[in-house]
Amino acid sequence: DTGVSQDPRHKITKRGQNVTFRCDPISEHNRLYWYRQTLGQGPEFLTYFQNEAQLEKSRLLSDRFSAERPKGSFSTLEIQRTEQGDSAMYLCASSLIPATNEKLFFGSGTQLSVL
Amino acid sequence: DQQVKQNSPSLSVQEGRISILNCDYTNSMFDYFLWYKKYPAEGPTFLISISSIKDKNEDGRFTVFLNKSAKHLSLHIVPSQPGDSAVYFCAAKGQTSYDKVIFGPGTSLSVIP
Repeated sequence: DTGVSQDPRHKITKRGQNVTFRCDPISEHNRLYWYRQTLGQGPEFLTYFQNEAQLEKSRLLSDRFSAERPKGSFSTLEIQRTEQGDSAMYLCASSLIPATNEKLFFGSGTQLSVL
Repeated sequence: DQQVKQNSPSLSVQEGRISILNCDYTNSMFDYFLWYKKYPAEGPTFLISISSIKDKNEDGRFTVFLNKSAKHLSLHIVPSQPGDSAVYFCAAKGQTSYDKVIFGPGTSLSVIP
């Protein structure tokens, strides 16, 4: 169990640029989630995949955000035309469904700063 | 509309004493509840959970209590240790495997030596 890996750990970009983050879940996990966390708030749900299928996307999520999980393994989250309000910690989590508990395993996150 | 609430942003406790972190929820369809712990610059890590069919679950120094009628749960840490200083998130989800996990805003716990 190598854990959930996220890359990069930190990203600084200028407003209007596109950014892409990668998440490698625990290898046997079929469920993959993206969350966003800002200071003083809990993780906010963005989207999740069951294998390669994207099952739900938050209605709060702008069309500038897109996520993929092409082969049911790693996932990417792309933000187009970044805005300062996109600055946050982007967290990836994975789990195995069905399971005896609903435990999510989180990566260390990607900290995005939009200047 | 915040479905999971943690009304205390911070809590300070003396080492060796009990820490009690509270959580309230609004959605009666929530069926499973979890607590996560987060250190700075790390992702949240799972701590303990409880199903709605139980009112208590214990794991070492950590105990979670659930009061469904009041839509309230609490995490007790006894005895508190300085290494417990972290942000604690309460989370909840519905009955089906398609339900996502919803997190509260967190409570920052400081355990003073």
